[in-house]
Amino acid sequence: GESVGLHLPTLSVQEGDNSIINCAYSNSASDYFIWYKQESGKGPQFIIDIRSNMDKRQGQRVTVLLNKTVKHLSLQIAATQPGDSAVYFCAESRRFSGGGADGLTFGKGTHLIIQP
Amino acid sequence: EAGVAQSPRYKIIEKRQSVAFWCNPISGHATLYWYQQILGQGPKLLIQFQNNGVVDDSQLPKDRFSAERLKGVDSTLKIQPAKLEDSAVYLCASRKRGGSSTDTQYFGPGTRLTVL
Repeated sequence: GESVGLHLPTLSVQEGDNSIINCAYSNSASDYFIWYKQESGKGPQFIIDIRSNMDKRQGQRVTVLLNKTVKHLSLQIAATQPGDSAVYFCAESRRFSGGGADGLTFGKGTHLIIQP
Repeated sequence: EAGVAQSPRYKIIEKRQSVAFWCNPISGHATLYWYQQILGQGPKLLIQFQNNGVVDDSQLPKDRFSAERLKGVDSTLKIQPAKLEDSAVYLCASRKRGGSSTDTQYFGPGTRLTVL
């Protein structure tokens, strides 16, 4: 089946710099997108979400951008901190058009490494 | 509020044995999901419940995997018999409502299964 993928398995950035993590999705029917952060030995932790009727959404230090034309999603983290080190997954769903079946489809993840 | 609880946290079995995992979702959450996360990959949906009914089990290997949520609260996932390729982390997630809403899907810490 179709799935969401990430461009880079590993991204290394300096502490204090901004990070951009990219994701390409292939299911044009997806209408809801989420970024999760997963630390070693823990379950995925919600960061931010966006519906397909939006192209940008901001949270605390994070921004998600959605480009439906090229089926691209990105997560921007401002002023990266050591605690941001984790694996980041994008996920997609047919939350609003799936008739109740709205389980998430995840990509493989990008490991963000923060260098001091 | 308490998060999604899962037990056991770790399990080691030999192939062809049986194993069961337990999940207690966040109180009041109607929708419950089980995901399988193989090392180095994103979680993959196995089954979705709405209260005590199955919404989506299209990716559940039904010849060996089964799941139930009899009273619409706790859930168990069983594998019988286990294969080597079942080694993974099994994640349970829940969210408050079903259908078209933007409420968050929360994940538990997972059960790490090793099949020898």
